[in-house]
Amino acid sequence: GENVEQHPSTLSVQEGDSAVIKCTYSDSASNYFPWYKQELGKGPQLIIDIRSNVGEKKDQRIAVTLNKTAKHFSLHITETQPEDSAVYFCAASNANSGGGADGLTFGKGTHLIIQP
Amino acid sequence: DTEVTQTPKHLVMGMTNKKSLKCEQHMGHRAMYWYKQKAKKPPELMFVYSYEKLSINESVPSRFSPECPNSSLLNLHLHALQPEDSALYLCASSQERTSGSLLVFGPGTRLTVL
Repeated sequence: GENVEQHPSTLSVQEGDSAVIKCTYSDSASNYFPWYKQELGKGPQLIIDIRSNVGEKKDQRIAVTLNKTAKHFSLHITETQPEDSAVYFCAASNANSGGGADGLTFGKGTHLIIQP
Repeated sequence: DTEVTQTPKHLVMGMTNKKSLKCEQHMGHRAMYWYKQKAKKPPELMFVYSYEKLSINESVPSRFSPECPNSSLLNLHLHALQPEDSALYLCASSQERTSGSLLVFGPGTRLTVL
């Protein structure tokens, strides 16, 4: 089955600096990679996703890059703000496997701390 | 309406109690899910319903009993739970049960078993 490794487990950055969270996956057939943000006391919220037919996707201060050859993908947050403090989970799934949205394999999460 | 709602937000129960968690969505999604999340861990899939039929039961103990009364509602009935069942229980939904479908999570129910 799929295995997703996520690093680092904790990341502390100064407000205004950039943050990068990295994930690697094991199944070369995986082709859908969402990122979830979970604030304290709330459920995970999808913030950005990428499919294997593109290498990069941006949405304002957030970007995700995908390297299919190396089987890794990364979340980039620029100009970090206090409200970016949360736990971030990467995930991977194979959209062609016949499985469902439940076929997501999550990374273990990164606790991002934005220092004022 | 673009959200999943869950009630109650918090629940404390004894090991002999029977309680139910409720989940509702009005996005027309046909797949609904229950996840369990322990502190500092990713969500773990418990059950999947597709078109109101149970599709997946991830070897969950029988003290957890899911129910899908209609396409908008999902319940999780709890009975004779153990302290190790204390966790955040998340409901989620997606348009269809297909990989790549946007998975929308609810805020969760924080369950404490005494």
